[in-house]
Amino acid sequence: DQQVKQNSPSLSVQEGRISILNCDYTNSMFDYFLWYKKYPAEGPTFLISISSIKDKNEDGRFTVFLNKSAKHLSLHIVPSQPGDSAVYFCAASAHLRNTGNQFYFGTGTSLTVIP
Amino acid sequence: DTGVSQNPRHKITKRGQNVTFRCDPISEHNRLYWYRQTLGQGPEFLTYFQNEAQLEKSRLLSDRFSAERPKGSFSTLEIQRTEQGDSAMYLCASSSRQGAWVAKNIQYFGAGTRLSVL
Repeated sequence: DQQVKQNSPSLSVQEGRISILNCDYTNSMFDYFLWYKKYPAEGPTFLISISSIKDKNEDGRFTVFLNKSAKHLSLHIVPSQPGDSAVYFCAASAHLRNTGNQFYFGTGTSLTVIP
Repeated sequence: DTGVSQNPRHKITKRGQNVTFRCDPISEHNRLYWYRQTLGQGPEFLTYFQNEAQLEKSRLLSDRFSAERPKGSFSTLEIQRTEQGDSAMYLCASSSRQGAWVAKNIQYFGAGTRLSVL
């Protein structure tokens, strides 16, 4: 049962334009959401997170938006750069359950930024 | 390098053999996690330690899998009688119980051990 879904396996964007990566979840108990970036032969690297008490969090070129009613979050990268080309994973946890913050990951979206 | 370290990076074994992987977390992190990732999927949670105590195990962790963290520092994941379906990337992550709420809730991942069962 996939509780976190990334329905777009891949995305191609021109350098300088906006990249929008989407993620949907089904478990209403999730209260903390993260985006990880993964390069080949490396482990996932933390990118940005958002708590369910917020609907937006921004860090430089990266902004995450959370729509709790739709159980949807998105990652915006602007402007996109070739170095952003990687696989992006959305992850969610139910922190308030105090189970050690098990993360549930989506299947990933492979972003290619074309120079 | 003070990140999460995993060894070996690659392991090729024959079906039925036992394998053991090691994870060294970031030194001040008391929480340690094991995940498994297969092709085209995201990481799937296997088990979690707080210090030396194993507090949570996924149903994915069959009886052939065992994980330990004897002194609350490094951890090992052993798979007995490997099967071809065990072929995957095994990822270790750690996090800290200290600090601000955001910092406590970030898991830092190692590069993983890729297991191939022939």
